[in-house]
Amino acid sequence: DTAVSQTPKYLVTQMGNDKSIKCEQNLGHDTMYWYKQDSKKFLKIMFSYNNKELIINETVPNRFSPKSPDKAHLNLHINSLELGDSAVYFCASSRGTGYSDQPQHFGDGTRLSIL
Amino acid sequence: GENVEQHPSTLSVQEGDSAVIKCTYSDSASNYFPWYKQELGKRPQLIIDIRSNVGEKKDQRIAVTLNKTAKHFSLHITETQPEDSAVYFCAASRANFGNEKLTFGTGTRLTIIP
Repeated sequence: DTAVSQTPKYLVTQMGNDKSIKCEQNLGHDTMYWYKQDSKKFLKIMFSYNNKELIINETVPNRFSPKSPDKAHLNLHINSLELGDSAVYFCASSRGTGYSDQPQHFGDGTRLSIL
Repeated sequence: GENVEQHPSTLSVQEGDSAVIKCTYSDSASNYFPWYKQELGKRPQLIIDIRSNVGEKKDQRIAVTLNKTAKHFSLHITETQPEDSAVYFCAASRANFGNEKLTFGTGTRLTIIP
C-alpha cells in the first residue's frame, strides 16, 4: 500500500493553462504539506494543512491554491501556469500533533513541465 | 526564519570508505533534525533523525551527531556501498503546535566509486 500517493506522476502543459495535482495519504496523519523541488534539487515548503486548516503559506503566488477536503487529502490547483512553475511537486504528511519531531513521509512527486 | 546550510554540495568516496556531510542551522529554537536520502527520480526518504535532547544517534552504518552550542549537525556513513549513491538532505524544524516547518539544506550529491 502506498502511504502518500500523488496524481498525476507527470504533467506536461502549456503556459497559461490551469492544472491540479492531487494527494492522498492513508497513514492517518493530521498534517499534510506541499513542497516544490526546482531544477537545482532545492526543496522548499509551499503550504501545510493541519486537519483541513491552512497553517503555513510560504509567500507562494496566489496562482497556487491548495485545498484540503478532509485530513487525508490535499490538492494543489495552479492557475495561469508560467515557465518558472516547472518543477517536481512533492506532497508529504506527518502526524502533526503539535510536536515537531514527527517524521514527514513524502509522495513520489509530480513532475510538472511547462511548454 | 530558519536557514540551513549544507556542505559539501558534492562528495565522492571510494567504496568502503566513510562519508561525512555537515549542516549548520541558524534558529537556536530548532529541536528536530532529520536526514533524507533521495535517489534519482525518487522521493526523499527519511534515513535517520535526531532530537535536540541527544547528541548522537546511530542506526547500523549511519550515524548523526548534533552540537547544539555550535548549531551544527552531521551525517556519517561508514563502510559505504554503491547503493549509498544519492542526494542527501539535512533539515531542521522546531515545535510550533501544528505549524512545524522543515527547512531543508541544499543537498549533497554523494557518489560511491566502486
